[in-house]
Amino acid sequence: EVQLVQSGAEVKKPGESLRISCTASGYIFTNFWIGWVRQLPGKGLESMGIIYPGDSDTRYSPSFQGQVTISADKSISTAYLHFSSLRASDTAIYYCARDRQRWDSWGQGTLVTVSS
Amino acid sequence: QSVLTQPPSASGTPGQRVTISCSGSSSNIGSRPVNWYQQLPGTAPRLLVYSNNQRPSGVPDRFSGSKSGTSASLAISGLQSEDEADYYCAAWDASLNGPYVFGSGTKVTVL
Repeated sequence: EVQLVQSGAEVKKPGESLRISCTASGYIFTNFWIGWVRQLPGKGLESMGIIYPGDSDTRYSPSFQGQVTISADKSISTAYLHFSSLRASDTAIYYCARDRQRWDSWGQGTLVTVSS
Repeated sequence: QSVLTQPPSASGTPGQRVTISCSGSSSNIGSRPVNWYQQLPGTAPRLLVYSNNQRPSGVPDRFSGSKSGTSASLAISGLQSEDEADYYCAAWDASLNGPYVFGSGTKVTVL
């Protein structure tokens, strides 16, 4: 069974850094892209970017280029979303998903709250 | 704002048919397959329809998708109370909007 398990909820202060994780199981991690999605409170889904764990090829959506860093560690089948300096506007739920020309398996989501 | 445009809301009574539209452009829907996702309140999205009109195993055949030109549609026939959710279309995008874009989302209410 394909599973994507994300790290737990985080509460951070503005300016702090954060890395959230997405650990895959049940399939060959290096064979499929992994995408990240942001959902602001009460809002819709926004694609942030994708990574191919096999060679770490990464593509960012224009709105998120330079704002976050997506990476992967294929030795532990885990993808990451990194924020170098959080802002209150980063408060959201973040999801990872496996891409097979469609995003067919999703993580449970990680709630990130940024507040002073 | 979203690259793909959906109506913000749709509604129907149990048993009715509801249709949700998704409008894009030649760089996404016009040249790429469309996928649809359902997000029940407080849960992660799940894949509902892929490659315009294919259903993953476990998705009831009440849900059907179609595409024509730069637009796509999701139809829910025999609407049920458990279908009350947010629905999103999505597609890969070959322009600077990419790589993957979601629609603005449609809230379906069962009256």
